[in-house]
Amino acid sequence: QLVLTQLPSASASLGASVKLTCTLSSGHSSYAIAWHQQQPEKGPRYLMKVNSDGSQRKGDGIPDRFSGSSSGAERYLTISSLQSEDEADYYCQTWGTGIRVFGGGTKLTVL
Amino acid sequence: EVQLVESGGGLVQPGGSLRLSCAAPGFTVSSNYMSWVRQAPGKGLEWVSTIYSGGSTYYADSVKGRFTISRDNSKNTLYLQMNSLRGEDTAVYYCARDGWELLGGIYGMDVWGQGTTVTVSS
Repeated sequence: QLVLTQLPSASASLGASVKLTCTLSSGHSSYAIAWHQQQPEKGPRYLMKVNSDGSQRKGDGIPDRFSGSSSGAERYLTISSLQSEDEADYYCQTWGTGIRVFGGGTKLTVL
Repeated sequence: EVQLVESGGGLVQPGGSLRLSCAAPGFTVSSNYMSWVRQAPGKGLEWVSTIYSGGSTYYADSVKGRFTISRDNSKNTLYLQMNSLRGEDTAVYYCARDGWELLGGIYGMDVWGQGTTVTVSS
């Protein structure tokens, strides 16, 4: 079964960096994922696709502060030079034939 | 500008029906893979249904047999017909487009609507 696992929360200080993790279920380590940001009271916003080889494809207008990487079954989203507006929920998402799957989301607090 | 605009949400009694619409000014719905995603109050994102450009449709187990995804090519609009509604269907419903490119294939849901709220309550 295709499942994505995320830690429920993370925190980091203003101006620092943070690395969020999304883990693919056993047998699915070759899958690409997408990262989405959801700021409070807003709809989701597409950030990027991260492939199993660590290559990424960013959405339009996504700052260079946001980057993706991979290791095995884990996919990462790194946000550097944290700003207050980065405080949001971050969801990973993947896909197969006839199915779309979301992780449970990570709530990022900027201290 | 590429965007998605949902409508049709509201308050409905358990067992009732509602049809959501998603207009897509800026691109052609029928040429893309389109999905509905929902978010219950205080919860995460949950995939509901997808329609492929070829017309194949797919559903989450939680809505299979009750919800129907469709599109009207002449109106460039995506729909979600929801029947036999339950309290657990209460959520903000978003429509979204699967981004796709020739070399890399799907790259995730790259365009999202603003959402429409469905409340199922007596």
